[in-house]
Amino acid sequence: DTAVSQTPKYLVTQMGNDKSIKCEQNLGHDTMYWYKQDSKKFLKIMFSYNNKELIINETVPNRFSPKSPDKAHLNLHINSLELGDSAVYFCASTYSGRKSYEQYFGPGTRLTVT
Amino acid sequence: AQSVTQLGSHVSVSEGALVLLRCNYSSSVPPYLFWYVQYPNQGLQLLLKYTTGATLVKGINGFEAEFKKSETSFHLTKPSAHMSDAAEYFCAADTGRRALTFGSGTRLQVQP
Repeated sequence: DTAVSQTPKYLVTQMGNDKSIKCEQNLGHDTMYWYKQDSKKFLKIMFSYNNKELIINETVPNRFSPKSPDKAHLNLHINSLELGDSAVYFCASTYSGRKSYEQYFGPGTRLTVT
Repeated sequence: AQSVTQLGSHVSVSEGALVLLRCNYSSSVPPYLFWYVQYPNQGLQLLLKYTTGATLVKGINGFEAEFKKSETSFHLTKPSAHMSDAAEYFCAADTGRRALTFGSGTRLQVQP
């Protein structure tokens, strides 16, 4: 199936640990994103990459480091996890050459930090 | 800077009734506008979008929205609610930065 996929779907870990979330899209898109949805359902962009180049970095702590090995993958590594990092993280993608700007979202990764 | 405001964090309608979810945007330039739906424990699915052209846009599942520049609004409607419409709905805008700014979401409840 063509889609945006994320692994893992659920991630439970303790404070201070380091964890990674992976995202892959097979839609042929060249731009990928990470969004954070907090406990109140508010969605906010964290990062965007276009052709493996960081385009947007929205005042996210340095503990969060995105990595894009190729156009189809965007991973998120989080160091020294804190309680406040508990949220649902969504990956999304789009094609920059299209004027419609719509983004396609993955199913989300629910991160719980205890 | 752009912002998106959704009036009403919770909307409850009876099955078969009109659905109206409100969205206003604040932007120095007309943005591209979107409505997404999120079912429990799932990702966001695009319902419809406005980019240019016709201001009344139709989406999936019988939803439509009208872009009103004079009112800076992009309200979502559906003539007759179905139980399966119960979900969280998000309005979003992009002013060309290729990053979505989301409203705070509206939870739609459909009563039998």
